[in-house]
Amino acid sequence: DIQMTQSPSSLSASVGDRVTITCRASQSISSYLNWYQQKPGKAPKLLIYAASSLQSGVPSRFSGSGSGTDFTLTISSLQPEDFATYYCQQRDTFGQGTKLEIK
Amino acid sequence: EVQLVESGGGLVQPGGSLRLSCAASGFTFSSYAMSWVRQAPGKGLEWVSAISGSGGSTYYADSVKGRFTISRDNSKNTLYLQMNSLRAEDTAVYYCAKSANSGYVYDAFDIWGQGTMVTVSS
Repeated sequence: DIQMTQSPSSLSASVGDRVTITCRASQSISSYLNWYQQKPGKAPKLLIYAASSLQSGVPSRFSGSGSGTDFTLTISSLQPEDFATYYCQQRDTFGQGTKLEIK
Repeated sequence: EVQLVESGGGLVQPGGSLRLSCAASGFTFSSYAMSWVRQAPGKGLEWVSAISGSGGSTYYADSVKGRFTISRDNSKNTLYLQMNSLRAEDTAVYYCAKSANSGYVYDAFDIWGQGTMVTVSS
C-alpha cells in the first residue's frame, strides 16, 4: 500500500504570509494527487486535482505542484478564511492532515 | 445545484447494524462512481468504500471488508452503506463523496455531503 505523509502536521502563520505544505508518497504516483481544505464541522472541499489543476471556484492564491513522490500545496498570501486543515489524497489514501493556525 | 445529502446515522450498540443513505441531485448519478469517507472525532479522513457508476464494481478498506456493504439505486439517485458488526472504532462522521470524472472510481472527490454521525457505544 502507498503511504502519504504530510508535513508539517501543524503550522502557525499570519495573514499575508506565503505558506507551503508538503505531501510525500511512499512510491511514485505520477500526478495522481489531490488537495482538500476542511474547516471545523464542515465537509472537505476540493482545492487542487491532478497535482496542479485548480478546482473551479477556488481562489488563484492556491496552487499545487509536484510529481512522482513529492508534492506541495502553496497559498501565496494567506487570508483569514484560509485557516483550516489541509489534506492530500491519492486514490484511497489520505495524508494525516496539516492544521494551519493563526499566529 | 449539485448536492449530496446523507441520512441514517445515529447511536448503535457494538455488534449492531445501521444503514446510511446518500441522496444525490443535480447531476447524472449513474455516470459517476461514489465513495464513503469517514472521520473519527478529532482525527483525519479515512476512505471506506467505493462503487462504480453501474454498481457492478465495489471496493472496500481492509478495516471494513466483510462487515460493510456499499450499494446504489440509480433509479432513486441514492447511495447506501450497510454497516454490520459495528465496533467502537467505527464511530465517525460518514461522508458520501462524488468522483470528479465520469468512469473513474479512484479519483478526486469534487462534491461531498454534509456528513452523518455514527456513534457505536453501549
